[in-house]
Amino acid sequence: NAGVMQNPRHLVRRRGQEARLRCSPMKGHSHVYWYRQLPEEGLKFMVYLQKENIIDESGMPKERFSAEFPKEGPSILRIQQVVRGDSAAYFCASSPGHSGEKLFFGSGTQLSVL
Amino acid sequence: AQSVAQPEDQVNVAEGNPLTVKCTYSVSGNPYLFWYVQYPNRGLQFLLKYITGDNLVKGSYGFEAEFNKSQTSFHLKKPSALVSDSALYFCAVRDGGSGYALNFGKGTSLLVTP
Repeated sequence: NAGVMQNPRHLVRRRGQEARLRCSPMKGHSHVYWYRQLPEEGLKFMVYLQKENIIDESGMPKERFSAEFPKEGPSILRIQQVVRGDSAAYFCASSPGHSGEKLFFGSGTQLSVL
Repeated sequence: AQSVAQPEDQVNVAEGNPLTVKCTYSVSGNPYLFWYVQYPNRGLQFLLKYITGDNLVKGSYGFEAEFNKSQTSFHLKKPSALVSDSALYFCAVRDGGSGYALNFGKGTSLLVTP
């Protein structure tokens, strides 16, 4: 049973380009969470999705960031027109349910914006 | 609103000695509390959680944590530290009555010296 798979592990983009980060949850998990980790700041919640639904996006920046979790395929975190401040490690986590469940994390995508 | 504070950026302990990593929380409803560990270039791994029941929770790798409602604390402990315990430790809280996201502290770097 494979764990949470994120790809790519490393992504380099120039300012103004688009970044697409992918996350395949563990088998049987229908809940996906995205977090961003900045140095000295810990993990910051971004968005919580279930299949085809965004449940809580209170941590998402209002512009340029979007997320989806389609019926088929991985969850995608999309960042348009990237800026240097978007450079960070982005972690995806999944769980089989919501209430009280522990999260299983992927190894993250390190985004570097030049 | 819910939040977690980890007052120590780094904790140093000699191998074989007991260790404590501190965490205090703030939540309006019933707290769901978690500890995760992160090794370099890896995602977070679940250590233990408190939802309800005994205040002393035992988890992976010999770690335990004590829930103290009056002090709103959930300190992580281990009776005898190992060099391999050196890693970044995150405390997290979710409001059991509402909300979806786990909110993480900034993390505490644990260094165990031989």
